[in-house]
Amino acid sequence: KNEVEQSPQNLTAQEGEFITINCSYSVGISALHWLQQHPGGGIVSLFMLSSGKKKHGRLIATINIQEKHSSLHITASHPRDSAVYICAVRGGGADGLTFGKGTHLIIQP
Amino acid sequence: DGGITQSPKYLFRKEGQNVTLSCEQNLNHDAMYWYRQDPGQGLRLIYYSQIVNDFQKGDIAEGYSVSREKKESFPLTVTSAQKNPTAFYLCASSMPRVGDEAFFGQGTRLTVV
Repeated sequence: KNEVEQSPQNLTAQEGEFITINCSYSVGISALHWLQQHPGGGIVSLFMLSSGKKKHGRLIATINIQEKHSSLHITASHPRDSAVYICAVRGGGADGLTFGKGTHLIIQP
Repeated sequence: DGGITQSPKYLFRKEGQNVTLSCEQNLNHDAMYWYRQDPGQGLRLIYYSQIVNDFQKGDIAEGYSVSREKKESFPLTVTSAQKNPTAFYLCASSMPRVGDEAFFGQGTRLTVV
């Protein structure tokens, strides 16, 4: 069973700072997801990666398959980026995702 | 617009009562999933279904039941046998192929009093 570890668990930063959230997993995967959860609970999918790097606006996600590691970066952070960011991995089958515990990010004005 | 609809968003029930959470998708996805989230823990898989009329237990299936009579619908029943039912419940769907993106509902927060 895959173990997914995220760091840090909590992160408070000032508006404008560059943010990095890390995710490591123990077993080879077919895909890795970065998700965003706001206080109301709903989850939005930010990225799905199987290799390399993806960029969407101020968000950048990278994955290193050999090292079993992924990072989510936020450039020019803004208070509206405050949320829980969750890493989830998918194995080779259709038996669902394994989730990290999430990183609680607070961006202060 | 295609998506997943969970209802209701908030649900309150008395201890000992069964309660059913709704999940509907119009994405034509074969696979559907139910996850549970508790404070300080990652989401955990309750049940999943890869095809109509078939479903499998996840990591924490005890005290829950599901059905998959239609491709679009995957309701979850929280039975009185579930010892700690108060939690946030999330439904997801995807095509079962490797690399297919998963889509998520907005979740149902169940409180049992």
